[in-house]
Amino acid sequence: QVQLVQSGAEVKKPGASVKVSCKASGYSLVAYYIHWVRQAPGQGLEWMGWINPNSGITTYAQKFQGRVTMTRDTSIDTAYMELSRLASDDTAMYYCARSDPADCGGDCYEDLWGQGTLVTVSS
Amino acid sequence: DIVVTQSPDSLAVSLGERATINCKSSQSVLYNSNNKNYLAWYQQKPGQPPKLLIYWASTRESGVPDRFSGSGSGTDFTLTISRLQAEDVAVYYCQQYYSTPFTFGGGTKVGIK
Repeated sequence: QVQLVQSGAEVKKPGASVKVSCKASGYSLVAYYIHWVRQAPGQGLEWMGWINPNSGITTYAQKFQGRVTMTRDTSIDTAYMELSRLASDDTAMYYCARSDPADCGGDCYEDLWGQGTLVTVSS
Repeated sequence: DIVVTQSPDSLAVSLGERATINCKSSQSVLYNSNNKNYLAWYQQKPGQPPKLLIYWASTRESGVPDRFSGSGSGTDFTLTISRLQAEDVAVYYCQQYYSTPFTFGGGTKVGIK
């Protein structure tokens, strides 16, 4: 079964960092780009950036530049998103999602989403 | 950044009737070199991740019922649910992927009248 499986919920204190994992199952991680999108409670969707797992090249939204790092470990088909200097407004569900580079490279829609990882930032 | 605006914020439609959601981008998302509109539609049900419905503004994703259709070009787009079913109750988002940061509309909540 083709799916993206994310790590479990996290609770962090302000100023800390969080690292969320996203494991590709049923397909090879390097075949698709991985995007990260977050959703604050009761709010809309916010795109954070993408990584090309094949090359490691990343593109981040300006808003998160300097605070987000997207990486991957191709040996275990897993992508990671690390967000540093957390604040209360970083409390959100974080989703990984994939896009097909054969259709549109990194500038692409997301055709498969992970189940989400809830990150709560609270003192 | 491209601003994407959806309307209405919510709507209630009788079962079997048509639901129409509008999406407007602050600049054209039509890429002239390939004549494609970089616009997608997603459906999100409570407690679930978004699900891709439509891409390239009007191409239905595999497995999506044909009562869902997308139309429009340039800056103005529409998602139509031709005959609303109970399982279509959800929030619907449009997204532009023409330029980074990819941006989403604020969402339209569709319910049953």
